[in-house]
Amino acid sequence: QSVLTQPPSASGTPGQRVTISCSGSSSNIGGNIVNWYQQLPGTAPTLLIYKNSQRPSGVPDRFSGSKSGTSASLAISGLQSEDEADYYCAAWDDSLNGWVFGGGTKLNVL
Amino acid sequence: QVQLQESGPGLVKPSETLSLTCTVSGGSINNYYWSWIRQPPGKGLEWIGCIYYSGSTNYNPSLKSRVTISVDTSKNQFSLKLNSVTAADTAVYYCARSQWLANWFDPWGQGTLVTISS
Repeated sequence: QSVLTQPPSASGTPGQRVTISCSGSSSNIGGNIVNWYQQLPGTAPTLLIYKNSQRPSGVPDRFSGSKSGTSASLAISGLQSEDEADYYCAAWDDSLNGWVFGGGTKLNVL
Repeated sequence: QVQLQESGPGLVKPSETLSLTCTVSGGSINNYYWSWIRQPPGKGLEWIGCIYYSGSTNYNPSLKSRVTISVDTSKNQFSLKLNSVTAADTAVYYCARSQWLANWFDPWGQGTLVTISS
């Protein structure tokens, strides 16, 4: 049972826009930044979005992040087949004094 | 750019101690936080703990009693020890860097699979 709650799966067709939600509490998302990681099949996670909505260099602007209260969202527009991956949200938790992750969302591009 | 590489035994017996090392290349271990994160097969990510280059540590409360993370700045390495392992500790173990304690993980190592089995 993960501290942050994500839907286990999401899907879309090429070109569509999909969003993935991440729900937490005041001790994590509500008071700290949210980061998103992309894990392509068989590889290590990589940083996709940091500080709620910032993109590292090299990440296409099709990927965007937002945060409101104790929830965050990742949006992917212009969906492409190479976006098929697992996506994880993460935040520091002040009560646990440590990092917590969402359970991950498997994105299928139909 | 900075690269991280995990190393250690791929098979550990139940009740024994899992030991892994992360070697940092292309940059200094100084002035950063260094974390261990694991992923059981087919499951999600779990943060194990982290260490600052100076040696201060933070651990996941659920693993704290069994975990020790240490750093060797002279070798640009940090290490993980997890004792009294069981099959539930079978996972891919990743090391990762963050600039501040509540920052973000970037980059990550490629990960190493550790199987707990007799």
